[in-house]
Amino acid sequence: AQSVTQPDIHITVSEGASLELRCNYSYGATPYLFWYVQSPGQGLQLLLKYFSGDTLVQGIKGFEAEFKRSQSSFNLRKPSVHWSDAAEYFCAVGANTGGGNKLTFGTGTQLKVEL
Amino acid sequence: DAGVIQSPRHEVTEMGQEVTLRCKPISGHDYLFWYRQTMMRGLELLIYFNNNVPIDDSGMPEDRFSAKMPNASFSTLKIQPSEPRDSAVYFCASSLRTSRETQYFGPGTRLLVL
Repeated sequence: AQSVTQPDIHITVSEGASLELRCNYSYGATPYLFWYVQSPGQGLQLLLKYFSGDTLVQGIKGFEAEFKRSQSSFNLRKPSVHWSDAAEYFCAVGANTGGGNKLTFGTGTQLKVEL
Repeated sequence: DAGVIQSPRHEVTEMGQEVTLRCKPISGHDYLFWYRQTMMRGLELLIYFNNNVPIDDSGMPEDRFSAKMPNASFSTLKIQPSEPRDSAVYFCASSLRTSRETQYFGPGTRLLVL
């Protein structure tokens, strides 16, 4: 079975600083990897996804993530954080179980942005 | 498109009462997912449907939980009887086809069982 680890529960950065959120996955085959963001009181919104090809994936809101198979990682980055980026971020791995896309989510990283 | 619609947005009930959560997926999507989010357990997949048929309900916690999808535009998640430990945010999501398709989440139903 697949699993996702997000080692950082909380991260605080200053506005304008760079950001990296860590994600490690466990899956026996080629993974489908996702990053979602959840603002308070809202549902989850997709930031980006990786299926194959270029290991550096660009997403919305200036986010990017890099797939590193050797490290089983899919870390999310942003060069300059804005106050509106404060939210909870979830990494997820998808498995084609033969009947559908079953996502397994990490426990999330809460991002706080200091002005 | 209006996105995934869930109702109610908030529900407060007393232990032992029946609770029904509702979801309208995005039109044309083949898959529908129910998730539960709690502080202790994070985001858990409860059940998902493909073309209105339940595919995997291994995440349903116990027999008190049931889910149906009578047609392509409507699904319910029912808890009977409800217990305080069922308090959580319940999300519905839908997607096209399989595997590579993005899951689109609704705003969630915040359930509090007293």
